[in-house]
Amino acid sequence: DAGVTQSPTHLIKTRGQQVTLRCSPKSGHDTVSWYQQALGQGPQFIFQYYEEEERQRGNFPDRFSGHQFPNYSSELNVNALLLGDSALYLCASSLGRSSYNEQFFGPGTRLTVL
Amino acid sequence: QKEVEQNSGPLSVPEGAIASLNCTYSDRGSQSFFWYRQYSGKSPELIMFIYSNGDKEDGRFTAQLNKASQYVSLLIRDSQPSDSATYLCAVKEGGSYIPTFGRGTSLIVHP
Repeated sequence: DAGVTQSPTHLIKTRGQQVTLRCSPKSGHDTVSWYQQALGQGPQFIFQYYEEEERQRGNFPDRFSGHQFPNYSSELNVNALLLGDSALYLCASSLGRSSYNEQFFGPGTRLTVL
Repeated sequence: QKEVEQNSGPLSVPEGAIASLNCTYSDRGSQSFFWYRQYSGKSPELIMFIYSNGDKEDGRFTAQLNKASQYVSLLIRDSQPSDSATYLCAVKEGGSYIPTFGRGTSLIVHP
């Protein structure tokens, strides 16, 4: 049973560049949520995709955008990178129909912006 | 503004002792409660979830929920050095698909 996968593992970019992160949910899951985790902080919710639509969005600027594909995998795009975007980016998958369902995290992508 | 509060620690306990981690939340409509363990440099791993008042036990872990007082606790019995990690509390209000996370409590279990 495949768990949540993310790619790449690490990424180094410079200010102003654009980045795309990828996530495949756990087998049987249809919902993907993206989080940003800065050092020493809890994960901060960016947005959630369900049925290829953005179902909910956190307090992040429009520079952060995403997409969900018919196979439930998802991408997170960040434009015009800032130094403050350096963080661990986490993807979490769940079953979307019930709000009681638990979320399972992937290994994360460590983004460094220089 | 939903808030989930955790003492950042570190909480230091000797091997074999009971570690008690606490979390308070502000939203009285909260219905689902989760504990994640996060090792340094790794992603969070779900270890417990609880929906009803009272205790839920799973091996060495016990989650305790008190909705009237708006807190949830995680007890780790017979603590091991391998339990040393940051423990994240996450809370979801009823009908919400998105949990709010606390900043985590660092636990150190020393031999």
